[in-house]
Amino acid sequence: SQQGEEDPQALSIQEGENATMNCSYKTSINNLQWYRQNSGRGLVHLILIRSNEREKHSGRLRVTLDTSKKSSSLLITASRAADTASYFCATDTYNTDKLIFGTGTRLQVFP
Amino acid sequence: AAGVIQSPRHLIKEKRETATLKCYPIPRHDTVYWYQQGPGQDPQFLISFYEKMQSDKGSIPDRFSAQQFSDYHSELNMSSLELGDSALYFCASSGRLAPGGETQYFGPGTRLLVL
Repeated sequence: SQQGEEDPQALSIQEGENATMNCSYKTSINNLQWYRQNSGRGLVHLILIRSNEREKHSGRLRVTLDTSKKSSSLLITASRAADTASYFCATDTYNTDKLIFGTGTRLQVFP
Repeated sequence: AAGVIQSPRHLIKEKRETATLKCYPIPRHDTVYWYQQGPGQDPQFLISFYEKMQSDKGSIPDRFSAQQFSDYHSELNMSSLELGDSALYFCASSGRLAPGGETQYFGPGTRLLVL
């Protein structure tokens, strides 16, 4: 069963703009991770946020987690054409570390 | 830094044939996971191994089996292949006892096409 849903499904922006992607999930989680995937290639790990954390930064990435709303957001600031990819959130629980992925957001950044 | 290695990267098989996918985790990682990603889909968990023992099982068909060997590499064996098995198969690894051990690092994937 699908744990997470992401919105928007697709997002198109200009270079330099910020991109925000949202992820919602259904059950209690232990960790939430964000991954990037370029056109049918491998999944690149971006950031992990634990259930007891509310916000985390890594370079141009900012992730927030609201466990009361069962949602997370990924903000990419000052986007670049190279950020064009699909972005997935993935969650695990206290009972199992298998990842359950969201549906993904396809981000297109135009030069 | 060393990453997860998967082989082969591409594989073409006929229906009813068998396929074996291999995964070499990051050194000192003790847990291996297999995921399947169909065209336009999100990755779906298949199976995982911790210290060579199966630790969790997802939506893996009975036609598939997997194991983790003493050197921690893992193999996913797929028999009686069907057209619907065409997908990208990912292996991921993690080191549960390492700092930040919850992070799963993915390999480049094996693209399987069943004709």
